[in-house]
Amino acid sequence: GAVVSQHPSRVICKSGTSVKIECRSLDFQATTMFWYRQFPKQSLMLMATSNEGSKATYEQGVEKDKFLINHASLTLSTLTVTSAHPEDSSFYICSARSPNGAGEQYFGPGTRLTVT
Amino acid sequence: ILNVEQSPQSLHVQEGDSTNFTCSFPSSNFYALHWYRWETAKSPEALFVMTLNGDEKKKGRISATLNTKEGYSYLYIKGSQPEDSATYLCAPYYKLSFGAGTTVTVRA
Repeated sequence: GAVVSQHPSRVICKSGTSVKIECRSLDFQATTMFWYRQFPKQSLMLMATSNEGSKATYEQGVEKDKFLINHASLTLSTLTVTSAHPEDSSFYICSARSPNGAGEQYFGPGTRLTVT
Repeated sequence: ILNVEQSPQSLHVQEGDSTNFTCSFPSSNFYALHWYRWETAKSPEALFVMTLNGDEKKKGRISATLNTKEGYSYLYIKGSQPEDSATYLCAPYYKLSFGAGTTVTVRA
């Protein structure tokens, strides 16, 4: 099956710093990738849709200036959490849409961000 | 139905018993419905992609049906095993935010 990697798996950063998370589709090209966030004891919340070569589409309530998304190639999307605060501590997970017609998603392993 | 709803939110099943749960979604402009299985400490994994009304998909002891006219899909687990313990998520194609999921715990 298709493989999506995510790096880093865990990161601890200080308040006010920025953190970049990478999402890569390893064996297929993904024109569309997605970034999710999981709040404690809740399901996955879609943050934004990342389209290769164009601006990301953010869901309502997600600050685009805080969560910068770049999808510069067909296999890489990055999420940068800028000026991180403790409330940004969360589990972030990306997925890449399959290039076949039904469009199922293949998920990365997620990144646990802790802001101190 | 304006959003994706899954019920029940959690299930406790005795090993060997069968169970089922529901995903409800807006029936207008339907394209496809995806079911995912999310085990603790792992990534969500695609189970089924349902596209046609009346579709039934099967993978081992797990199967799913689809009713696009009334906007629901059922997922069935036959003869539950401890390894079936996971959160099962559904999402319609056009709206990729998931329902809250149904967390299944199978007791040995």
